[in-house]
Amino acid sequence: DGGITQSPKYLFRKEGQNVTLSCEQNLNHDAMYWYRQDPGQGLRLIYYSQIVNDFQKGDIAEGYSVSREKKESFPLTVTSAQKNPTAFYLCASTEAGANVLTFGAGSRLTVL
Amino acid sequence: AQSVTQLGSHVSVSEGALVLLRCNYSSSVPPYLFWYVQYPNQGLQLLLKYTSAATLVKGINGFEAEFKKSETSFHLTKPSAHMSDAAEYFCAVTRSSGNTGKLIFGQGTTLQVKP
Repeated sequence: DGGITQSPKYLFRKEGQNVTLSCEQNLNHDAMYWYRQDPGQGLRLIYYSQIVNDFQKGDIAEGYSVSREKKESFPLTVTSAQKNPTAFYLCASTEAGANVLTFGAGSRLTVL
Repeated sequence: AQSVTQLGSHVSVSEGALVLLRCNYSSSVPPYLFWYVQYPNQGLQLLLKYTSAATLVKGINGFEAEFKKSETSFHLTKPSAHMSDAAEYFCAVTRSSGNTGKLIFGQGTTLQVKP
């Protein structure tokens, strides 16, 4: 079955460390997105990519970086510059020109 | 600018009772509106989507939502709650660009269903 795989599901990080969250999709979708979820705040857009080798900042990109070297993959790096990285991170994708998001199961990052 | 407000962060109903989750939106262009559901520690799943084809939209699991332009609302309802409906629900709206996944989400409403 097609879908989005996020890994790891749970991740613990010490302050000052960079971590990379993986997102892989086999839906043949062109566009991919990273959202951050915090309790009581809904989801906020971090980065998105509509085509391979191109990506744009979302609403809260500071302290994050991404790459899009393959259509199937859109990894997110949470850098030490992100002041409050503890959150639930959701990867999603859409077909080109579409607005219905398919989500992965998420990765929960906790900074110790 | 587009925005979404969900009234009530927590809603509690008895099993078999009516479910009503409220969503109001602000949009400078005709919006696409969505309801998504999230079960604990999982991703979001689409319940339904408004596309202007019909003001009453039917979704999965017996849910439906009515688009009311005059009230800028898109409330989610289900006639009879089931224990399995307990989850967090998010209302979302597209940005002015329309056909992208860059949605603006409300803060979410947690639905509790009591036996």
